[in-house]
Amino acid sequence: GEDVEQSLFLSVREGDSSVINCTYTDSSSTYLYWYKQEPGAGLQLLTYIFSNMDMKQDQRLTVLLNKKDKHLSLRIADTQTGDSAIYFCAESKGNKLVFGAGTILRVKS
Amino acid sequence: DAEITQSPRHKITETGRQVTLACHQTWNHNNMFWYRQDLGHGLRLIHYSYGVHDTNKGEVSDGYSVSRSNTEDLPLTLESAASSQTSVYFCASSETTGTYGYTFGSGTRLTVV
Repeated sequence: GEDVEQSLFLSVREGDSSVINCTYTDSSSTYLYWYKQEPGAGLQLLTYIFSNMDMKQDQRLTVLLNKKDKHLSLRIADTQTGDSAIYFCAESKGNKLVFGAGTILRVKS
Repeated sequence: DAEITQSPRHKITETGRQVTLACHQTWNHNNMFWYRQDLGHGLRLIHYSYGVHDTNKGEVSDGYSVSRSNTEDLPLTLESAASSQTSVYFCASSETTGTYGYTFGSGTRLTVV
């Protein structure tokens, strides 16, 4: 479902910060998620944020939530080549998740 | 350790054949989901189940069916495979509350020739 929108591609240099953006549509979503998919693998949960929070930090990851604009972002500090992957934003709708199309992050060394 | 496994990892089949993809989880999750992943479309929901004997259609359910006879398994059947069903298929499971999102399998790459 394309209720969740993400830019398709982001390229950064190793050591720089990466910011991946997402917009969602359902203001009643309780949780919002970021998943990472490495080549040939399934999706792994990176982090999630509860809808009553504005920010969540977890080591190199910072999630910002702007409920007014229905905007979610994932910042990766000190981006490494191992961070190269596809990143999916998802919003909860009841017991289901609706995913964006994914953002391909390419890290140049 | 609890896990979710999909089999086979790769499958090539001919147009018109019936194909079943397996998904088995040992998390004791009530909720199970099947998605397909295609370039430019991200993940699209095919079918899902909230418990034994419960099945529901997702946004791209035509040509697919599922059954849930126990908590652990949700097999996905392609009744008559078509080239448009060439894709990577992911199974996922979650707790009823959905607090921690989904746990995904490693995927099955299906090619219909």
